[in-house]
Amino acid sequence: DSGVTQTPKHLITATGQRVTLRCSPRSGDLSVYWYQQSLDQGLQFLIHYYNGEERAKGNILERFSAQQFPDLHSELNLSSLELGDSALYFCASSAYRGYTFGSGTRLTVV
Amino acid sequence: AQSVTQPDIHITVSEGASLELRCNYSYGATPYLFWYVQSPGQGLQLLLKYFSGDTLVQGIKGFEAEFKRSQSSFNLRKPSVHWSDAAEYFCAVAPNSGGSNYKLTFGKGTLLTVNP
Repeated sequence: DSGVTQTPKHLITATGQRVTLRCSPRSGDLSVYWYQQSLDQGLQFLIHYYNGEERAKGNILERFSAQQFPDLHSELNLSSLELGDSALYFCASSAYRGYTFGSGTRLTVV
Repeated sequence: AQSVTQPDIHITVSEGASLELRCNYSYGATPYLFWYVQSPGQGLQLLLKYFSGDTLVQGIKGFEAEFKRSQSSFNLRKPSVHWSDAAEYFCAVAPNSGGSNYKLTFGKGTLLTVNP
């Protein structure tokens, strides 16, 4: 157990739908990073939150959004889903350049 | 922009043989360097990291990596591979200063197959 919890582990949904992925960081870590892992793109940085504030965006589509709540858990919202959004979504929590990854959410869009 | 290159997409070694996985980075200054391992269907586990100091870094599971500034490389090594080492290995970099986003940038990964 890495200390970073991601739910759900698996998600199957239809095109056009909206889903929410949840990440609970390690106790005390203020930063949460979201990554998308796909066969063709590899591990791509999506977005970074620090203590509730968005700090940076990467290759995140406009259909995707995220937030970090006062208790520091984070949610990644994916809407108008397309087949190409099928991927493994990871979050990582960080403190002092230590990055700990959750086990990921595997999203399958059918 | 920073980038990480792992030249070998797939490597096959025999159990007990030595292993070296290559990683080169492109960055304005020496970044923080990491190696992660991912078993099928699993998350990313940190093997080792380099921030500063001794350029030979020891990690978990018997792995080590050597930072070579002149070559912008951070190659991962293991003297004797075990069947359980079969997995995908990712090299990653993060900025060592400035800004407020210390995101990891990953290479494409090297898939390691271990033959009995």
